[in-house]
Amino acid sequence: NAGVTQTPKFQVLKTGQSMTLQCAQDMNHEYMSWYRQDPGMGLRLIHYSVGAGITDQGEVPNGYNVSRSTTEDFPLRLLSAAPSQTSVYFCASSHEANYGYTFGSGTRLTVV
Amino acid sequence: KQEVTQIPAALSVPEGENLVLNCSFTDSAIYNLQWFRQDPGKGLTSLLLIQSSQREQTSGRLNASLDKSSGRSTLYIAASQPGDSATYLCAVDPGYQKVTFGTGTKLQVIP
Repeated sequence: NAGVTQTPKFQVLKTGQSMTLQCAQDMNHEYMSWYRQDPGMGLRLIHYSVGAGITDQGEVPNGYNVSRSTTEDFPLRLLSAAPSQTSVYFCASSHEANYGYTFGSGTRLTVV
Repeated sequence: KQEVTQIPAALSVPEGENLVLNCSFTDSAIYNLQWFRQDPGKGLTSLLLIQSSQREQTSGRLNASLDKSSGRSTLYIAASQPGDSATYLCAVDPGYQKVTFGTGTKLQVIP
């Protein structure tokens, strides 16, 4: 099993550009989430999904969109990149609420 | 709003020492608590998951305890090794996906 796969691993964007961070899992997990990790602030939840077709906002959703058309994939879209979105982004998945999370290896995004 | 605190922020110990990492949370209505380790530039690796009905979990040299009523969890590492050097994070799950992470304890084990 590959687990949770995130692409790309590194990305540099110019302010105002848009892009999609990809996340795929092959464990048939219902729950998937996106986090950003910033120095001194820990991991903060951006968006999450409890199943295909169902998404909801986390703590810091502004500037990001998500959709969940399949169980396997949960892409994160940056609509118009800003320097404040420079961060490391992690995708995570879980079988059910009480089974704990598996994390991807992250995408390091720099917005200049 | 749930707040999760990990103290100390950094810890340096000699190899072989037993150590305890602390995690405290403000809202005791949790579904589970998970401990992770994160190596520099890497993702999070799950260490232990404690469900709300459990008091502790063990895996090898690691033992995690949970006291919901006092809002505390500890991660005990026995006979520490240089390979244990990493940042340790705790995460509290209320059961509806809005997981809250602590900011972590950076551990350095000195040979």
